[in-house]
Amino acid sequence: SQQGEEDPQALSIQEGENATMNCSYKTSINNLQWYRQNSGRGLVHLILIRSNEREKHSGRLRVTLDTSKKSSSLLITASRAADTASYFCATDGESSASKIIFGSGTRLSIRP
Amino acid sequence: SQTIHQWPATLVQPVGSPLSLECTVEGTSNPNLYWYRQAAGRGLQLLFYSVGIGQISSEVPQNLSASRPQDRQFILSSKKLLLSDSGFYLCAWKRVGRNQPQHFGDGTRLSIL
Repeated sequence: SQQGEEDPQALSIQEGENATMNCSYKTSINNLQWYRQNSGRGLVHLILIRSNEREKHSGRLRVTLDTSKKSSSLLITASRAADTASYFCATDGESSASKIIFGSGTRLSIRP
Repeated sequence: SQTIHQWPATLVQPVGSPLSLECTVEGTSNPNLYWYRQAAGRGLQLLFYSVGIGQISSEVPQNLSASRPQDRQFILSSKKLLLSDSGFYLCAWKRVGRNQPQHFGDGTRLSIL
C-alpha cells in the first residue's frame, strides 16, 4: 500500500516562480526523503529530513516536516526549465529502517 | 565511489516467457537492495527488498521472485511472464541503518507482447 501521497499530482508554473509540492504519509517514520525522476530514468535523491527535524535547506530546495500532521512539503525556489521532472517523497519506516515506501509523485513542468 | 548497474535497459518479451533482470552494486559492502516497479506516470511499487545474502522480503504477491546470490547482486525473475508484468523496473541500494538515502539504477523498461 502507498505510504506517501503527493499533492498536487501535476503542477505547471512559469520559469522563475516557486514550486511547492506536498506529501502526506500514514505511519510513524524515521525520516522522509524527496527524490527527482527525469522521464525514463532512475530516481535521484534530493534531500532527507529526519523525524526530529522541522526544516532543511539544500541550494534552491527547502523541505519542511510536520510529524504531528504527518506531512511534508518541498519548495523549489526560482524554478528553471531543467527542474521539469517528477518529484517523489519516500518514507523510511520507524519499524523497519530497511523498507522504503514511495508516494505517487508530482509531475512538475516549468514553462520557459 | 559507489555505482549501481542494471541491465538490460529495455526488454521485449512474449507472454509466458521467463525473465531475469540483474542488478549489481560496486564500491560498497552489505548494502540493502531493492526492486521497484513503476507503471507509466505512476509512483514506485516496492516488490522486494533484501538486507543480506539469501534474505528476501516480498511485498506484493505476484508472478515474480527475487534472489540475492552474492552480496552485491540482486536478481528479479519470473518463470512465466504475464501481460500485467509490463512496466519500468528499478533497482536501488542503500547503506544499512537509519537515515540513509537510496541510490537507483537507470531502470529496465519491460514490454510484454
